[in-house]
Amino acid sequence: DIQMTQTPSSLSASVGDRVTIICQASQDINNYLNWYQQKPGKAPKLLIYDASNLETGVPSRFSGSGSGTDFAFTISSLQPEDIATYYCQQYEDLPTFGQGTKLEIK
Amino acid sequence: EVHLVESGGGLVQPGRSLRLSCVASGFTFDDYAMHWVRQAPGKGLEWVSGISWNGDAAGYASSLKGRFTISRDNAKKSLYLQMDSLRPEDTAFYYCVKGQVVSGPFDNWGQGTLVTVSS
Repeated sequence: DIQMTQTPSSLSASVGDRVTIICQASQDINNYLNWYQQKPGKAPKLLIYDASNLETGVPSRFSGSGSGTDFAFTISSLQPEDIATYYCQQYEDLPTFGQGTKLEIK
Repeated sequence: EVHLVESGGGLVQPGRSLRLSCVASGFTFDDYAMHWVRQAPGKGLEWVSGISWNGDAAGYASSLKGRFTISRDNAKKSLYLQMDSLRPEDTAFYYCVKGQVVSGPFDNWGQGTLVTVSS
């Protein structure tokens, strides 16, 4: 199985801050990397697919980058409604998720 | 609009079986792969299983050790997960998830159904 290491596991930031989450794959996954947002009590929602493509309807403050084994997810200006847990997921092989990053407002 | 509605969750004793169902609407069901993803309470996401558009190919998480079987009925726009020899560690919310024509991102999720394995 391909292991996905996501850091940090939790993050506290202020409204308006730039926030970055890192995801590292245990082997080359090309750009087969997606990012999801999960709010408490809700199902996950796809935000970014294939490393850097914004899903339809997702605000442009969200972005993704990277290829191979190292990927980043960025919120350019944190908004109160962005409070959630974020997960990366690879699909180069059988799908696996990162451990998640819980984002809180400072 | 895509809708995925799971059912079949509940409380079950260890060693028993349970079958989850998911009814899909709002898209051409038999064009897409479908998946089950689970989440233990307070924990992260774990892909469980996926099945191709026509049911000819299926994959499973290695942690399941052959206890679960995924299937689909395209005429009924339904996805199923047969879970046998259930263990307490299978306790989780189980989400029905829409995939892509081949492999790709999970772009629509159901609301989840809770399976609790306990004596």
